[in-house]
This record gives sequence, C-alpha cells and structure tokens, in this order.
Amino acid sequence: GAVVSQHPSWVICKSGTSVKIECRSLDFQATTMFWYRQFPKQSLMLMATSNEGSKATYEQGVEKDKFLINHASLTLSTLTVTSAHPEDSSFYICSGRRRGLYEQYFGPGTRLTVT
Amino acid sequence: GENVEQHPSTLSVQEGDSAVIKCTYSDSASNYFPWYKQELGKRPQLIIDIRSNVGEKKDQRIAVTLNKTAKHFSLHITETQPEDSAVYFCAAPRGYQLTFGKGTKLSVIP
Repeated sequence: GAVVSQHPSWVICKSGTSVKIECRSLDFQATTMFWYRQFPKQSLMLMATSNEGSKATYEQGVEKDKFLINHASLTLSTLTVTSAHPEDSSFYICSGRRRGLYEQYFGPGTRLTVT
Repeated sequence: GENVEQHPSTLSVQEGDSAVIKCTYSDSASNYFPWYKQELGKRPQLIIDIRSNVGEKKDQRIAVTLNKTAKHFSLHITETQPEDSAVYFCAAPRGYQLTFGKGTKLSVIP
C-alpha cells in the first residue's frame, strides 16, 4: 500500500497564532511531498513542493514566510501556518510521492478554522 | 506550464447508466494521466491512471482512454452505483507535480 497520515484532522485557532500540520508516509519513503489547499467546491491548489532534505519550492502567490514547510525525513513533512488569519481557513492536504514515480498518495486532510 | 480543462462540472446519471468525464491538456510531452475520486470531506483517492504508451486501461467498471494526438483523456464508469457519487478530478503532470482539473461532481440517482 501507500498510506499517508495527517495530523491533526481539524484545528481551530485564534487569529495571530501559528498552527503546525504533520504529514507522514506510513509504509513508503516519500522522496517528495506536496502541500495543497482546497476551498469548498473547488479543486486542489498546489501550495508547495518539498524534497527531503532541501528547501521547499513555493507556487506563485504563496508566501513562504507565512507557510513554513519542513521535510526533515523521508516519512515526515510539516506545514506551519504562521500568524494565521481568517482567510487562511481552508482544507489543507498533503501528498507523498516515491522517487522516480508520478503517483501521489494523499493524506486525509486537515480542516483549519481561524477565528 | 500544463493547463488541464475538465468537463462537465456536474453530471447526474440514473443508477446503472454510464458516466463519462473528459479532460484536455496542453503539454504534448505529458505522459501520465491519473484520475482521483474525492468524497465530501475526505482525501482524493487514485482510482485509475494511464501512461502515454497505451490508449486504454480498464479496471472492472472504470476505464480511462487516452488520445495523445488530440491531447485528451476520458474516464468511463459503467453500471453506475450510488456509491460512485463523488467529485472526480483528472490531472496531468508538470514535471513531477500534478496539475488538476476543476473537478466533476457526479451524482448517481437511485
């Protein structure tokens, strides 16, 4: 299999605080992990791509200082939303990819609500 | 970069009928085309994919066809069941990233 877990599944935080989301590949080594956000009834929008041991590559329009990504090992990547604001409320989903393959396997997502 | 167009945005079918969803892509070098199914509030799940060296791939009630000349690929679901109701996304590669279509909400009416 190719299982990806994500924690927490949902979080509510106050405006101005930071939130960390963890993404783990449970039964494979994820050379690359991707972070997406998804608004209601919309498609998946890629935020950033991270390769193990190197800096993340952010998509145009995504603030790298606001969305901090760390990919410290082949099974763990974290996304930290810093100084969260209500407009950051969304469904954040990670995915992992094995080296040399296209297939991406998604985590269950994290619903972030900023009040 | 890759541009993926997906149609229709919504599709309603009677249980037992077939459903077809189509996607077009822009990069002629693309060679991997997955389809994902996403139920409300859940993760996208890979249901079938096709590589450019084949024109069709089938897995039980679902199939994907690829026309590289026209740069489009389609998802076919036969004998639809209520549990097929979900949002379906196609995607095409941009390097090792994926560009997703906007999604098709499929409703199967019992």
